[in-house]
Amino acid sequence: KQEVTQIPAALSVPEGENLVLNCSFTDSAIYNLQWFRQDPGKGLTSLLLIQSSQREQTSGRLNASLDKSSGRSTLYIAASQPGDSATYLCAAYSGAGSYQLTFGKGTKLSVIP
Amino acid sequence: GAVVSQHPSWVICKSGTSVKIECRSLDFQATTMFWYRQFPKQSLMLMATSNEGSKATYEQGVEKDKFLINHASLTLSTLTVTSAHPEDSSFYICSASVTGAYGYTFGSGTRLTVV
Repeated sequence: KQEVTQIPAALSVPEGENLVLNCSFTDSAIYNLQWFRQDPGKGLTSLLLIQSSQREQTSGRLNASLDKSSGRSTLYIAASQPGDSATYLCAAYSGAGSYQLTFGKGTKLSVIP
Repeated sequence: GAVVSQHPSWVICKSGTSVKIECRSLDFQATTMFWYRQFPKQSLMLMATSNEGSKATYEQGVEKDKFLINHASLTLSTLTVTSAHPEDSSFYICSASVTGAYGYTFGSGTRLTVV
């Protein structure tokens, strides 16, 4: 059974700092890995999707990497802004026709002005 | 891009009543939709997989008679919480995907409060 862990559970940084969020998964046979952002009381917004054949994806100030062999993914946020404050979730899709995602508990990010 | 609309965004109901939550794929057809539940400070837990034209597949521990799922069309799945109790109060989110390979799109969620 796939298990996804995110460390740290919470992170507070000053505005402008670069930061890294970590995600690890137990079953390396994933189909893809997706990073989401969740604002309080809201649904999920997809940030980046990395397919198993890829090593990284970039969108603006965000860069996500995937290392299947070590069971790890990282989300790098450059030049953080107060508007980046949210909970970041990673989710692994193990395929096998089930289309099921396994989520981590998330990292709550606070960017201090 | 793929858009999933979920309604209502919040609902308060009395204990013992039923509540229906709708999940619609607006610009694509979704043969499969997913219903999640999220408790405060916890991650999303998959409740069930909704399959168009057939019965939903429920995760272990989820009462299918309490959480009724109907997926009557390629763009609409509904979750009905029957005989709601305060412990059913939670945040419910649906998602859909054109195909799993291209990621998942989530609805905006429904905050259910049972009083």
